[in-house]
Amino acid sequence: QKEVEQDPGPLSVPEGAIVSLNCTYSNSAFQYFMWYRQYSRKGPELLMYTYSSGNKEDGRFTAQVDKSSKYISLFIRDSQPSDSATYLCAMSGYGGATNKLIFGTGTLLAVQP
Amino acid sequence: DTGVSQDPRHKITKRGQNVTFRCDPISEHNRLYWYRQTLGQGPEFLTYFQNEAQLEKSRLLSDRFSAERPKGSFSTLEIQRTEQGDSAMYLCASSLVLRRENSGNTIYFGEGSWLTVV
Repeated sequence: QKEVEQDPGPLSVPEGAIVSLNCTYSNSAFQYFMWYRQYSRKGPELLMYTYSSGNKEDGRFTAQVDKSSKYISLFIRDSQPSDSATYLCAMSGYGGATNKLIFGTGTLLAVQP
Repeated sequence: DTGVSQDPRHKITKRGQNVTFRCDPISEHNRLYWYRQTLGQGPEFLTYFQNEAQLEKSRLLSDRFSAERPKGSFSTLEIQRTEQGDSAMYLCASSLVLRRENSGNTIYFGEGSWLTVV
């Protein structure tokens, strides 16, 4: 079993829809949770960063962490075609957020105009 | 802030040849990472440096792989006697480590170096 599980998709939604992306994990030592966006053949770009449980909002993006369920989510409101990309969840524990990250496989999102 | 820079962006090589990738981290960052990403998968950790010291290596980093960061600035990743299974995107990332446990520092990635072994 992988430490981080993520549905690879693809996920296709119409423009304006609310998108929900999720990851589950098995290692209770994880304390830092991140979402990266990756366009085709590009490096991952940091979108959201959360420490421990709770919610964090940034513009159209909301990240949620439920450590009791070992489950994290990213919500995208009013989705745009430019949001079409692969979304990677990542997490780390011991040593802080700057220690090595463990990634999910990524979910491919397509927002249709 | 020019971000993390990687060179070359693309490399096609014949099986058995050696290749070297270079990474220039964000200038004030003291930690540097190498990851590998194959199609349909998330990045996998290979190794990381704190300044010039290589602190951890993954089991994925076979004896044919070597990474250096001689002066605590740029880093190189060399793959000797390349195999077709080495074909992947090699990602470099950097971060600034502060002493506070939950300082909120994060890892920033470069655009990656694509390797194709034919």
